[in-house]
Amino acid sequence: GAVVSQHPSRVICKSGTSVKIECRSLDFQATTMFWYRQFPKQSLMLMATSNEGSKATYEQGVEKDKFLINHASLTLSTLTVTSAHPEDSSFYICSARATGETGYTFGSGTRLTVV
Amino acid sequence: GQNIDQPTEMTATEGAIVQINCTYQTSGFNGLFWYQQHAGEAPTFLSYNVLDGLEEKGRFSSFLSRSKGYSYLLLKELQMKDSASYLCAVRDDKIIFGKGTRLHILP
Repeated sequence: GAVVSQHPSRVICKSGTSVKIECRSLDFQATTMFWYRQFPKQSLMLMATSNEGSKATYEQGVEKDKFLINHASLTLSTLTVTSAHPEDSSFYICSARATGETGYTFGSGTRLTVV
Repeated sequence: GQNIDQPTEMTATEGAIVQINCTYQTSGFNGLFWYQQHAGEAPTFLSYNVLDGLEEKGRFSSFLSRSKGYSYLLLKELQMKDSASYLCAVRDDKIIFGKGTRLHILP
């Protein structure tokens, strides 16, 4: 089946710094990828829809200047958390769907801790 | 608005059967997914329903009634490894997840 690779799996950063998370579709092309955030014991909250070659579509309440999304190729989308603060500490996860597949495949997720 | 409801927690016994319900009210509908998520891991795809009826896949079955905005996930012959969260998700132009049901399996 389709595989989505996400890196890094864990990152600890200092408050005020920026962190980039990569999401790659390994064996298929993804014109659309989705970025979610999940706080402990809660469900996945859609942050934005990443579209190859165009601007991302952000969900209400998500700051586009803080969570920068770049989808420069059909296999790579990146999420950059700028000027991270402790409240940004969360589990970030991406997903995409390969043509012909029914379900959406998720990356392994990134545990971000801001200290 | 979008609203997806499922029970927060359920408990069942190893070897038994459990049914996890999901109701939804969404502006559009292009299918309903069930995902399994173990703590600290990514969700894994279990099932997809777009037409009314029951889809069976091994020990797992999923049912959909579009007119009622209702789905359930049925797990048979429960095993300890089935202890996880089960997420109901509806696809409109994007996928929206419910808050998940944490299933506890007792030996």
